[in-house]
Amino acid sequence: NAGVTQTPKFRILKIGQSMTLQCTQDMNHNYMYWYRQDPGMGLKLIYYSVGAGITDKGEVPNGYNVSRSTTEDFPLRLELAAPSQTSVYFCASLGSSYNSPLHFGNGTRLTVT
Amino acid sequence: AQSVTQPDIHITVSEGASLELRCNYSYGATPYLFWYVQSPGQGLQLLLKYFSGDTLVQGIKGFEAEFKRSQSSFNLRKPSVHWSDAAEYFCAVGGRAGGSYIPTFGRGTSLIVHP
Repeated sequence: NAGVTQTPKFRILKIGQSMTLQCTQDMNHNYMYWYRQDPGMGLKLIYYSVGAGITDKGEVPNGYNVSRSTTEDFPLRLELAAPSQTSVYFCASLGSSYNSPLHFGNGTRLTVT
Repeated sequence: AQSVTQPDIHITVSEGASLELRCNYSYGATPYLFWYVQSPGQGLQLLLKYFSGDTLVQGIKGFEAEFKRSQSSFNLRKPSVHWSDAAEYFCAVGGRAGGSYIPTFGRGTSLIVHP
């Protein structure tokens, strides 16, 4: 059981470049989330999805976009990378009930220079 | 809006000593509360959770937490810390926001264990 899989693990981007962070889960979870983690700041919610075709903004959505064409996949798109987007990005999914824990991927460490 | 406060950025303890990590939350109804642990280079792993019933909950690796509604707290404890417990610990509250379920995390507490 793979759980939540994120790719790539590491990436270095130049300012202005674009990229897509991939996230796939094989647990048939409806809820999926993208968080960014910065030192001393905890996890900030970027976007989330309650099911295929439905997405919504979280606390820090500027500079990012998402799509949810299938239940399994929830990619995060950076269109014009900026140094402020240097961070560790985590994708997570939620089981069938609200008292279930989040299932996390291992993260993508992104550096923008 | 819901929020989580972890007042301690770093905690240093000696191996074998007891541990308490503090967590205070803000939420209008009965919250779902969680503690997660993050080892370096890894995602977050669930330690324990509370959503109803007994206010003292047991988790993995010998951790426990107590929900105190009057203090809006959910502190994590361990009676004897092991060197392998050194990690980042996150408290989280789950609640409804605009009809959707949104987990909110504290900023984390880094645990350093001295031999």
